Amino acid sequence: DQQVKQNSPSLSVQEGRISILNCDYTNSMFDYFLWYKKYPAEGPTFLISISSIKDKNEDGRFTVFLNKSAKHLSLHIVPSQPGDSAVYFCAAIITSYDKVIFGPGTSLSVIP
Amino acid sequence: DAGVTQSPTHLIKTRGQQVTLRCSPKSGHDTVSWYQQALGQGPQFIFQYYEEEERQRGNFPDRFSGHQFPNYSSELNVNALLLGDSALYLCASSPGTGLYYEQYFGPGTRLTVT
Repeated sequence: DQQVKQNSPSLSVQEGRISILNCDYTNSMFDYFLWYKKYPAEGPTFLISISSIKDKNEDGRFTVFLNKSAKHLSLHIVPSQPGDSAVYFCAAIITSYDKVIFGPGTSLSVIP
Repeated sequence: DAGVTQSPTHLIKTRGQQVTLRCSPKSGHDTVSWYQQALGQGPQFIFQYYEEEERQRGNFPDRFSGHQFPNYSSELNVNALLLGDSALYLCASSPGTGLYYEQYFGPGTRLTVT
């Protein structure tokens, strides 16, 4: 039972354009979400997070949008840069149970 | 400031053997979590250690056990290895015990079971 889905295994975007990475979840008890980026041979690094009491959070070029009714969140990267090429994981958390589920990841390639 | 370090980088073991993986947390962090990442999947939470005690556990059998030392470093032990245990094992440290805290991951240990 895949509770957190990232239905696009890969995505290619031109440098300077917007990258949109999507994440869907099935359990309405998830109330906190994080995005991590992973380069080859390195561990994931934290990018941005959002609580379920918000619908948007921005940090520089990165914005996360949360649509609770659709159980959907998205990460927008504007403008995309070649250094953004990595695998992106969304993670969903039930804070009251301290339970975390990661999605399978989306591999982003930003083409110069 | 050293980040999270893990050893060894790679390991090859035979079915039925036992393995120990090691992790040193980021300076200032007292909470260590372990994750298993199979090929093509996201990290899966194994357990978390705080104050030398296991405080939270994911859906993993008792063959997976751990330890945390007074200096906050940690070990992950896996007994009776199965082929399906082949994966990247990630250690993460955090400034608090809640999993909503930003996790600082190490580079991982690649375990291959033959």
